[in-house]
Amino acid sequence: KNQVEQSPQSLIILEGKNCTLQCNYTVSPFSNLRWYKQDTGRGPVSLTIMTFSENTKSNGRYTATLDADTKQSSLHITASQLSDSASYICVVSAWWEYGNKLVFGAGTILRVKS
Amino acid sequence: EPEVTQTPSHQVTQMGQEVILRCVPISNHLYFYWYRQILGQKVEFLVSFYNNEISEKSEIFDDQFSVERPDGSNFTLKIRSTKLEDSAMYFCASSEAVAGRNTGELFFGEGSRLTVL
Repeated sequence: KNQVEQSPQSLIILEGKNCTLQCNYTVSPFSNLRWYKQDTGRGPVSLTIMTFSENTKSNGRYTATLDADTKQSSLHITASQLSDSASYICVVSAWWEYGNKLVFGAGTILRVKS
Repeated sequence: EPEVTQTPSHQVTQMGQEVILRCVPISNHLYFYWYRQILGQKVEFLVSFYNNEISEKSEIFDDQFSVERPDGSNFTLKIRSTKLEDSAMYFCASSEAVAGRNTGELFFGEGSRLTVL
């Protein structure tokens, strides 16, 4: 069964600190893995998209890694800011005939406090 | 920057009433989606739409739901007879088709919050 598991469920860190969010998946056949940031009450916004051959991808202070062998990904946030407080959703895409089927994780709720 | 727009932002309705949620996808996108997110839960896929027809739907998307692209710009989700459990945030999304395989970035709207009383 295609599943995406994220950990931790929630996290509180101090402003300026780094943190790492984890994503494990059992999605096949794998197409790509995406990280989204979702502010409360808003739509998800894409941070990174990684294909099978990409190990790491950065977007400003966000760096995503992918290990396709172990089916794990992480999102590292450097020098956190209050505006980083949001839910971070890992989404894994599987190939199918008409496009990509997206499997959503439950998200990690990050709270950055001063 | 182009964006997906959704209306209304919030709708309150009585159980059993029909609701239409509207979306204007990004103009050059060819794949359209509806997702929902019940408060505190994960985003759930409802339906995808390509080439003027449904390409896939989830088990949530039963006979009470329908989608339509009535003109060249709008993409609508209709719920015929709302139930309490339909209360959720509904997100429209669109993406650009790439050589028949949709590997492109998915752009979400800001959502329509539906409250069924």
